[in-house]
Amino acid sequence: AQSVTQLDSQVPVFEEAPVELRCNYSSSVSVYLFWYVQYPNQGLQLLLKYLSGSTLVKGINGFEAEFNKSQTSFHLRKPSVHISDTAEYFCAVSDRPEKLVFGKGTKLTVNP
Amino acid sequence: GAGVSQTPSNKVTEKGKYVELRCDPISGHTALYWYRQSLGQGPEFLIYFQGTGAADDSGLPNDRFFAVRPEGSVSTLKIQRTERGDSAVYLCASSLLARGDEQFFGPGTRLTVL
Repeated sequence: AQSVTQLDSQVPVFEEAPVELRCNYSSSVSVYLFWYVQYPNQGLQLLLKYLSGSTLVKGINGFEAEFNKSQTSFHLRKPSVHISDTAEYFCAVSDRPEKLVFGKGTKLTVNP
Repeated sequence: GAGVSQTPSNKVTEKGKYVELRCDPISGHTALYWYRQSLGQGPEFLIYFQGTGAADDSGLPNDRFFAVRPEGSVSTLKIQRTERGDSAVYLCASSLLARGDEQFFGPGTRLTVL
């Protein structure tokens, strides 16, 4: 069975600072990896996904993530955050994309 | 175009009552998913439909929970004899085809069982 650990429940940063949201997973088989964002009072929106190929994945809104198989990690990064990036971010893993296993989420707060 | 819609947005019920939660997927999407998100947790998979049939219902917590998708479009999640522990946000998602395609999520139905 897969599981996901998001190491930080809350991450406060200042505007224009870089940010990294950490995600580690466990799985005995090859996996697909995802990052979703949930803005206040909105549904989950896909930021990016890794299915195969290049381990560096670029997503929307300037976010990117790197799949590291040896460390079983899929950390999300952005070089310069904006106030509008304030949201909750969820990492998810699956051995088949129709059954996602989510982490508990990381609340990113961007302060002016 | 229209996204995934869920009704009602909020539902308050009493312990022991029956509730139905509705999901309207994006038109043309063949796959439909239900998740449950409890306070402070990530979404938890409940069931997945491919067309009209439930392809995987392994996430349904017990036999009080049931979901249908009779015409391969709208889906209804049904909860019998509700318990306080059923209180959560119930999320629906749809995708064009299951394998590798993005799941588009609705805004959720917040269920409160008193």
